[in-house]
Formats: sequence, C-alpha cells, structure tokens
Amino acid sequence: AQSVTQLDSQVPVFEEAPVELRCNYSSSVSVYLFWYVQYPNQGLQLLLKYLSGSTLVESINGFEAEFNKSQTSFHLRKPSVHISDTAEYFCAVSERDAGGTSYGKLTFGQGTILTVHP
Amino acid sequence: DGGITQSPKYLFRKEGQNVTLSCEQNLNHDAMYWYRQDPGQGLRLIYYSQIVNDFQKGDIAEGYSVSREKKESFPLTVTSAQKNPTAFYLCASSIPGVAKNIQYFGAGTRLSVL
Repeated sequence: AQSVTQLDSQVPVFEEAPVELRCNYSSSVSVYLFWYVQYPNQGLQLLLKYLSGSTLVESINGFEAEFNKSQTSFHLRKPSVHISDTAEYFCAVSERDAGGTSYGKLTFGQGTILTVHP
Repeated sequence: DGGITQSPKYLFRKEGQNVTLSCEQNLNHDAMYWYRQDPGQGLRLIYYSQIVNDFQKGDIAEGYSVSREKKESFPLTVTSAQKNPTAFYLCASSIPGVAKNIQYFGAGTRLSVL
C-alpha cells in the first residue's frame, strides 16, 4: 500500500524568504505525484504534478518540486514567498502500472500549513 | 463555466438523522470521489466511482452510502451509523486516460452535529 508523509505540520516564514515543504512517499510500484493547495474554507486546487519526463516541475506562480526516486521524495520549494501564499499544502501520490495507467486512487499526506508573515 | 458544485456549503445534523450531501459536475468526467477532511489528518477517501452505476468503498466507508445513477451526480449520505460526522467533506472528479488522477475538487460542505 502507498503512503505519504509530510514532515512539517506548520511552516512559518517571513515574506520574500525561501521556503521548502517536505514530502516523502512509500510505494512498491511507480507513482504519479501531486501538490495541491487549499485556502481557508475552500476546496483543493492542483498546484503542480509529476507524471513523467523531467523530474523538476514548476507551477505558474513560482513554486517548483523535484521528484527524487532514490530518496522517494517530492519536496516543494519557492525562492521568495508572498503573503498570498499563506495556505495549507497537500502532497499526494497515485500508483500506476508499467503502462502508465493509474489505479484510480490518490493518497494524501497530512498537510503543511504555510504561514507567511510580513 | 465548467466545474464541481457541492451543496449545501454548511449542514447541520441532528442525532439519529441521515443527511445527504450533493455533488454535481459538468466536466464530463467519468470518475468521482468523496473525501473527509479532519484537522491534521489530511484527506481520507470515503467512496469512489469510476463509472455510472458502480462504486467502491474507500478507506473509511463505514457509516456512509453513495449512489451513481448519473454521470454528473454523486451524492453522499451520512447515516446515523456514523458516530462522528463533524468534518469538512470534499467531492472530486477526474479525467480518464493516463493522467486520470488529476483530480478536480469542489468547494466543500462543512457538516456539524447539533
């Protein structure tokens, strides 16, 4: 069975500082990896995804994540955060077979609350 | 606009009462999902459906029931057997194919017990 561990439940940072949100996963097969963001009292929005190809993936608002197969990690980074980045971030994993077909289920980590202070 | 609509936004349940949460999507997605979110526990899968008239239990299905009579609708009933129903409930849908697990979420329903 797959599992996801987000190593920090809360990360406080000052505006314009860099940030890293850590995510490790466990799976016996190949996986797809995702980061979702949730603003208060809202649903989740897809931030970025790793499906195949380059192990470094980027979002349109400056976040990036790198898939590290040997360390089974998918850490999320941003070189300079804004107040508007304050939200809860979820890492998620989906198992897939050799043909690339997923099994239809996402497993989420416990979430990391990022708070950006002025 | 295409999207997933969950209603109501807030719902209150009395002791021994069944309540139904609505989830409608106009994205033409085959698969739909229900998650429960509790603080510090992430999202846990309740039920999912990959095609009309078929659904499977997730990790925490006890005390819940679903139906999938139409492609665009996947209502969740929280029954009186669910002893701790207070939570934020999220519905999602996904596109078919290799990337079928890019899931798109509704805005959620917050359920509280009176």
